[in-house]
Order: sequence, then C-alpha cells, then structure tokens
Amino acid sequence: DGGITQSPKYLFRKEGQNVTLSCEQNLNHDAMYWYRQDPGQGLRLIYYSQIVNDFQKGDIAEGYSVSREKKESFPLTVTSAQKNPTAFYLCASTTLVSGWIAFFGQGTRLTVV
Amino acid sequence: KNEVEQSPQNLTAQEGEFITINCSYSVGISALHWLQQHPGGGIVSLFMLSSGKKKHGRLIATINIQEKHSSLHITASHPRDSAVYICAGNNLGGSQGNLIFGKGTKLSVKP
Repeated sequence: DGGITQSPKYLFRKEGQNVTLSCEQNLNHDAMYWYRQDPGQGLRLIYYSQIVNDFQKGDIAEGYSVSREKKESFPLTVTSAQKNPTAFYLCASTTLVSGWIAFFGQGTRLTVV
Repeated sequence: KNEVEQSPQNLTAQEGEFITINCSYSVGISALHWLQQHPGGGIVSLFMLSSGKKKHGRLIATINIQEKHSSLHITASHPRDSAVYICAGNNLGGSQGNLIFGKGTKLSVKP
C-alpha cells in the first residue's frame, strides 16, 4: 500500500545535539513538506520541496535543514541552533495529479532532555 | 496575509448529536481541506473542496466561496469521531500544494 512513513515515532535528544527525522513516501509525489505542531497552534511550515535537489524555506526554517536527494525521501535535521525543538513534527506529500490532496505521515514527537 | 480561522476550539457532544465545525478563510485560498487528527497524531485527509458540497458516510463538507466559509458536519455522532478536526487552505500565493492551517477543533463525543 502507498503511503508516507515517518520514523521514529518518539525521539529524545540531548540539548546541543543534532537529530534527523526520516520521511519516506512511495506515492510518487513530487512535493514534500515538513510541518511543526505545537499545542494550541496550527501546523506551521518548516521546509518544502517540489522537486528532487530543490527545497524552499517555510515560515519557521531557522534551526532546521533538509535534503531531497531522492524523490521518495525528505529527511529533516533539527540542529542545535533550533531554540525550542520540542514539538510534534509531521511530514506530508502531495502532487498535482492527486489534485493537491495532502497525505500525511504519523508524525514524530521530539523531546529535548 | 492568508489566514484560516476555525471555530469552536473545543466541542463536546453526546453520542447521536449533529455536529458543525466552522472555518473562515481569507483571500488567496484556492481550496479548502478538512483533516482529521487522532490522539496518536497522524492526520487523515477527509475532504478537499473548491466549491459546493461533498459527502462521505456521516461526514458532510460545504463551502461558500462568496462568503469564504466552509463547514464540516457530522451526523449521528459517535465516540469514535472524537478527534481534532483541522481546516486548511491551499495557498495561491506560494507553492500551490502549500497549506495554511487553522488551529483545529478538538471534538469529544460522549457515549
């Protein structure tokens, strides 16, 4: 079955460490997104990529980095420069062929300890 | 600035009740999505609307383009409908696939 897989589901990180969240999709979608969700707030866009080897900053890109070396994969690195990294992170993908209907992963809950 | 506003923020209902969640959006939104997020965190897309009305089972979504308003209705609500419902709009100003999200409506249906 096609879908988006995020891993891990829960992640603990010590302050000062970088950590990479995985997002893989087998839907053949061109566009992939990373969102951050905090309690009481809507999802906010961190980075997005519309094509392999290209990506754009979203509204809250500071302290994060991404890569898009393969169509299927869009990993997000939370760097030590991110001041408040504890949050729920969601990956999504979509394509014009699907009418821009977004498919979401199950999310990764990152806690800085 | 593109915005999406949802109401109410929290909603408690008794099993069997008819439920309505509202969403207003600003200029620059080309289509509206209704999403469901269960306690585990994963999100499922329920509907995408650019006009009219869509129905799937007990869920009905409507959109009024002139008033920039959309509603999600749940008929004969059930405890398993308990979730956060999120309204999101496609942003015409950026990548067409980019979504602008409302803050969500937390629905709790009591047996």
